[in-house]
Amino acid sequence: QSALTQPASVSGSPGQSITISCTGISSDVGGDRYVSWYQQHPGKAPKLMIYEVSNRPSGVSNRFSGSKSGNAASLTISGLQTEDEADYYCTSYTAYGALVVFGGGTKLTVL
Amino acid sequence: EVQLLESGGGLVQPEGSLRLSCEVSGFIFSSYTMNWVRQAPGKGLEWVATISNSGDAIFYAESVKGRFTISRDNSKNRLYLQMNDLRAEDTALYYCAKEGSVRWTYYFDYWGQGTLVTVSS
Repeated sequence: QSALTQPASVSGSPGQSITISCTGISSDVGGDRYVSWYQQHPGKAPKLMIYEVSNRPSGVSNRFSGSKSGNAASLTISGLQTEDEADYYCTSYTAYGALVVFGGGTKLTVL
Repeated sequence: EVQLLESGGGLVQPEGSLRLSCEVSGFIFSSYTMNWVRQAPGKGLEWVATISNSGDAIFYAESVKGRFTISRDNSKNRLYLQMNDLRAEDTALYYCAKEGSVRWTYYFDYWGQGTLVTVSS
């Protein structure tokens, strides 16, 4: 069982927007701004998409945005494109036990 | 260009040992915290271990504590993961990942391609 809860799958059509949720507790997601998001295509290494809740690394499209409210974080992808189809993982610092915890991952299907 | 190259994976019997290595280039290795993250076949990502830039702060996932040891050689630009008493559930692709900043940030901006560890008799 993953420490952070994500929906197993989400889907959307090209051009639409989708949001992936990531729910934790006060000692991880709710505790600080150390939430990040990764995209992983099949057979590839993860790629950082969002760090510290809402920051985008250089080179990541501004169609990707992140936010947080209380113990839940979200990744929103606007203007869906076929190449966005991938698995997405959230992660957070945690004050107890492990240093970093991952969500179980969400498979995004672009219909 | 930042590069991370893992090696050392392979097939090992239960209770066996294996040492993974990650050779890095393209950044000042001694300035950054480094991490190991693994992914079991068809499963999600799991954080394994973290070591500070100087090696004086080390953290492990509960699932590997007491069996795995993370270390680094800043003179060789290499990160290591010594894995002992391996179990079937340790079977995974092991990634090394660079911390995103010289301060503690808990996100990973560069990843290697991974090295596969298979634990089976």
